[in-house]
Amino acid sequence: DVKVTQSSRYLVKRTGEKVFLECVQDMDHENMFWYRQDPGLGLRLIYFSYDVKMKEKGDIPEGYSVSREKKERFSLILESASTNQTSMYLCASQGPPTYEQYFGPGTRLTVT
Amino acid sequence: QKEVEQNSGPLSVPEGAIASLNCTYSDRGSQSFFWYRQYSGKSPELIMSIYSNGDKEDGRFTAQLNKASQYVSLLIRDSQPSDSATYLCAFDFQGAQKLVFGQGTRLTINP
Repeated sequence: DVKVTQSSRYLVKRTGEKVFLECVQDMDHENMFWYRQDPGLGLRLIYFSYDVKMKEKGDIPEGYSVSREKKERFSLILESASTNQTSMYLCASQGPPTYEQYFGPGTRLTVT
Repeated sequence: QKEVEQNSGPLSVPEGAIASLNCTYSDRGSQSFFWYRQYSGKSPELIMSIYSNGDKEDGRFTAQLNKASQYVSLLIRDSQPSDSATYLCAFDFQGAQKLVFGQGTRLTINP
């Protein structure tokens, strides 16, 4: 079974703080994704990565950056957290042959 | 035109009945289609994937794909209260590995 873990289930940060969200997968998948999910807006793609040290912007990259130094780990960074970044953050992993996406448990981030 | 259309519900179905969830998509180049189940406060869980026209059955779940009409359906037979959740459809956009997700249909199974 694919296992995707995220560093925290709940996180509370203050406006202006730098926030790191980490995601680790154990299936040697090439592709990893970061989404945020908000009521009424569905899942929105922030960034994704097809390989180590590679990253591509998704639909809403503003205010975020990512890092992928190792194949199994994909980090999302909020350089200066703002209240409008309060959300559920979901990481997903994807690989051959089916390219199904598997999600981690999510991190509910609150920025005050 | 939206890339994917999915009735947000809520859809209410009595226990033991068949629940039918539908999704239409706009991209004729899509090759892979997925259904996810998401319980409140939890992350999406993959329950079905389908790649070719026709039906695919897995236990009480049947996925149906019609590429000509550009829709994908999920049938849940013998619905149980534990099936109450939001169901998301997803597909690959233009054959790429990135997925497009629907907004989700909230399903409630009434005992």
